[in-house]
Amino acid sequence: AQSVAQPEDQVNVAEGNPLTVKCTYSVSGNPYLFWYVQYPNRGLQFLLKYITGDNLVKGSYGFEAEFNKSQTSFHLKKPSALVSDSALYFCAVRDMNSGYSTLTFGKGTMLLVSP
Amino acid sequence: ETGVTQTPRHLVMGMTNKKSLKCEQHLGHNAMYWYKQSAKKPLELMFVYSLEERVENNSVPSRFSPECPNSSHLFLHLHTLQPEDSALYLCASSRGTGPDYGYTFGSGTRLTVV
Repeated sequence: AQSVAQPEDQVNVAEGNPLTVKCTYSVSGNPYLFWYVQYPNRGLQFLLKYITGDNLVKGSYGFEAEFNKSQTSFHLKKPSALVSDSALYFCAVRDMNSGYSTLTFGKGTMLLVSP
Repeated sequence: ETGVTQTPRHLVMGMTNKKSLKCEQHLGHNAMYWYKQSAKKPLELMFVYSLEERVENNSVPSRFSPECPNSSHLFLHLHTLQPEDSALYLCASSRGTGPDYGYTFGSGTRLTVV
């Protein structure tokens, strides 16, 4: 079975400061990892994914995520937060070794960036 | 606009009503999904269709009935719902069901059962 944990319901950060949204995962094989963002009254939008290769993945809107196999983590980061980054962020995982599998999502972390 | 369109955006229905949610994609994707999103809970996968065949049904109550008439359209038929079924229902599609395919989501239907 595969699972994702997002330990924080909410993250608060001031504009211009770096931000981190945490995610840990559990899979039986090697993971495919994803981050999605949801703005109010909208569906989820793809931000970035890790498949293989470089542990630091760059995505949309200046976000990046670092894959850490030993800590089974895939934290989302941005060097300088914007007020417009305020949204709900979801981490998701899929087992790479499964011929068929669906994305398993975390419960989401609300990011609030204050001016 | 993501390429996945859901209608209606909002729906209020009584417990004895019958209604349907519609999802449409013209991305050429072969797989479609229904998810339920409730506050502070992980997204719950409800149904998966691949090439118009249902490949997964995650123990969803029979008051939810999916239909996939072709690879571009997905419906969720609702009848005799309960207030706890109130949620945001999200449709998604993907190019395939292989492990490296991400999903494209619609904006969702906000369902309120009264």
